[in-house]
Amino acid sequence: GAGVSQSPSNKVTEKGKDVELRCDPISGHTALYWYRQRLGQGLEFLIYFQGNSAPDKSGLPSDRFSAERTGESVSTLTIQRTQQEDSAVYLCASSLAFGNTIYFGEGSWLTVV
Amino acid sequence: KQEVTQIPAALSVPEGENLVLNCSFTDSAIYNLQWFRQDPGKGLTSLLLIQSSQREQTSGRLNASLDKSSGRSTLYIAASQPGDSATYLCAVVPTTSGSRLTFGEGTQLTVNP
Repeated sequence: GAGVSQSPSNKVTEKGKDVELRCDPISGHTALYWYRQRLGQGLEFLIYFQGNSAPDKSGLPSDRFSAERTGESVSTLTIQRTQQEDSAVYLCASSLAFGNTIYFGEGSWLTVV
Repeated sequence: KQEVTQIPAALSVPEGENLVLNCSFTDSAIYNLQWFRQDPGKGLTSLLLIQSSQREQTSGRLNASLDKSSGRSTLYIAASQPGDSATYLCAVVPTTSGSRLTFGEGTQLTVNP
């Protein structure tokens, strides 16, 4: 596609439910990043993929968070047993390779009620 | 651990002014530095990428400089316009492949007509 695509764009879920957020990077981009941004705050690193492997997943805040990437393309971020503090926008970004210009999607806005 | 600081946190200027946004980082072992803008409720848009071997990079009214040894970068905006109003973030890419980008907290710019 022309840009990084994320879905859903908005999600309201009840506390305790699981959610899946999807990221379609720009075609051919090998590097993929997930960040979280709480309202009025800075970007918080979650995980980085190079191809299908995750050399740096140290930013995942708890074992309720997991992510995978398949086919060096689509990535899914899964949050299990959601909590209110998980409410944030989840941003995905990709780049052609490590160190190249990074392109962000519009984000998935998650609200846990 | 890399830390990135942006000063000022907020800036308000009248239309037409030239302005400078500052970014400093603690670890000079960087691969490159990127500047982004973020509009309210949106993802990030890449503005400029400066390689560690470069001193500056220009795109239209924007000029970014990099002094790696002192751990500083500046983003110069010439002849500011109301459409430039946004939050500007800098991000540092480390030399180690497979490591995270580290973002500053951003400078919120308002250009008044």
